[in-house]
Amino acid sequence: GAVVSQHPSRVICKSGTSVKIECRSLDFQATTMFWYRQFPKQSLMLMATSNEGSKATYEQGVEKDKFLINHASLTLSTLTVTSAHPEDSSFYICSAREASGGRRGREQYFGPGTRLTVT
Amino acid sequence: AQKITQTQPGMFVQEKEAVTLDCTYDTSDPSYGLFWYKQPSSGEMIFLIYQGSYDQQNATEGRYSLNFQKARKSANLVISASQLGDSAMYFCAMSLSGGSYIPTFGRGTSLIVHP
Repeated sequence: GAVVSQHPSRVICKSGTSVKIECRSLDFQATTMFWYRQFPKQSLMLMATSNEGSKATYEQGVEKDKFLINHASLTLSTLTVTSAHPEDSSFYICSAREASGGRRGREQYFGPGTRLTVT
Repeated sequence: AQKITQTQPGMFVQEKEAVTLDCTYDTSDPSYGLFWYKQPSSGEMIFLIYQGSYDQQNATEGRYSLNFQKARKSANLVISASQLGDSAMYFCAMSLSGGSYIPTFGRGTSLIVHP
């Protein structure tokens, strides 16, 4: 159980275009989803926390108008990179937390990641 | 503020031997969780093990065990009987009750298992 999918796994786009990445919890309901960014050989940096039905909370330094997050249902969150530039090229990973409390409510289940390359 | 430190950028171990990956943390929050994740070259983050700050016993999951030393604020991961497939990046993470249990990750340790 606790499977999270991401689509697409890889995307190459031209500078100035927008790219949408989907994150789905397949077998559980996720009230909270998280979006991370990871540069090569570096750690995961939290970009934003997405709660179903409400606006996302962005970390300091993350442009909310550039990285649009929509958490429309308990199983789907999307990240749209608008007007992408080469410096946005990175590995984007989402994770989801189950709605239940206790330990399992603290665990996060990660998607397989999306490698974005902006040319 | 919370802080997670992994001081070993890279570790090497012989197949079938045990290896310890270090992790220290710093927080004043009495309620927290500690996690270890494995990230192979494919990029996916694989959950390995969890330790709650109030757990009395060290967590174990198969070949993985967490050496939790609360007074020292360390949460080292021990992998017994290393396998070639264990070669990957390993991240330690901590989540706090005061931070809505959103994990903060360490910089990671690259583990290479030699045959």
